[in-house]
Amino acid sequence: EIVMTQSPATLSVSPGERATLSCRASQSVSSNLAWYQQKPGQAPRLLIYGASTRATGIPARFSGSGSGTEFTLTISSLQSEDFAVYYCQHYNNWPPYTFGQGTKLEIK
Amino acid sequence: EVQLVESGGGLVQPGGSLRLSCAASGFTFSTYEMNWVRQAPGKGLEWVSYISRSGTTIYYADSVKGRFTISRDNTKNSLYLQMSSLRAEDTAVYYCARENLTFGGALDYWGQGTLVTVSS
Repeated sequence: EIVMTQSPATLSVSPGERATLSCRASQSVSSNLAWYQQKPGQAPRLLIYGASTRATGIPARFSGSGSGTEFTLTISSLQSEDFAVYYCQHYNNWPPYTFGQGTKLEIK
Repeated sequence: EVQLVESGGGLVQPGGSLRLSCAASGFTFSTYEMNWVRQAPGKGLEWVSYISRSGTTIYYADSVKGRFTISRDNTKNSLYLQMSSLRAEDTAVYYCARENLTFGGALDYWGQGTLVTVSS
């Protein structure tokens, strides 16, 4: 089973600043990686698939990069609505799909 | 508009059974693979099960294998999860999620979830 590890667990950033979230896979997942955003009481929302492609309707301030085992989600200028929990998930050589444990992005 | 609406959650005693449903609308249900993903209170996301478009290919997480059964009825645009021998650790919000192969297999739409509580 591929283990996904996200860092940091919590990230404190001020509105308008850049946030960088990391996700590491225990073995290569190629570019078969997605990022999701989840706000309290809501279902996860797909942000990025294929490691770097924004899903429909996702603002350009969200960008993804990486391949193999190292991935990054960058939010270029944080808006108030961006404070949430972010999960990475691989879909390479599944099952099982596995998710990272999440990074909570909080207001500094 | 794509919609996934789960139902069937509730309080059940350890060892009991429950059947979750997910009603799909706004897309051609039979042309998409579907998944169940759960989230224990205050915890992260855990993939539970997958079913192919025709229902012929099915996978389960080890944590539920032998106790949960996924199925679908394409004539009713519905996905199901039959859960038996429930344990306290199965307590979670259960989401159905659509898999989009155009996106390589990412889960592009999720329902709002239904809460399952296993407790005596």
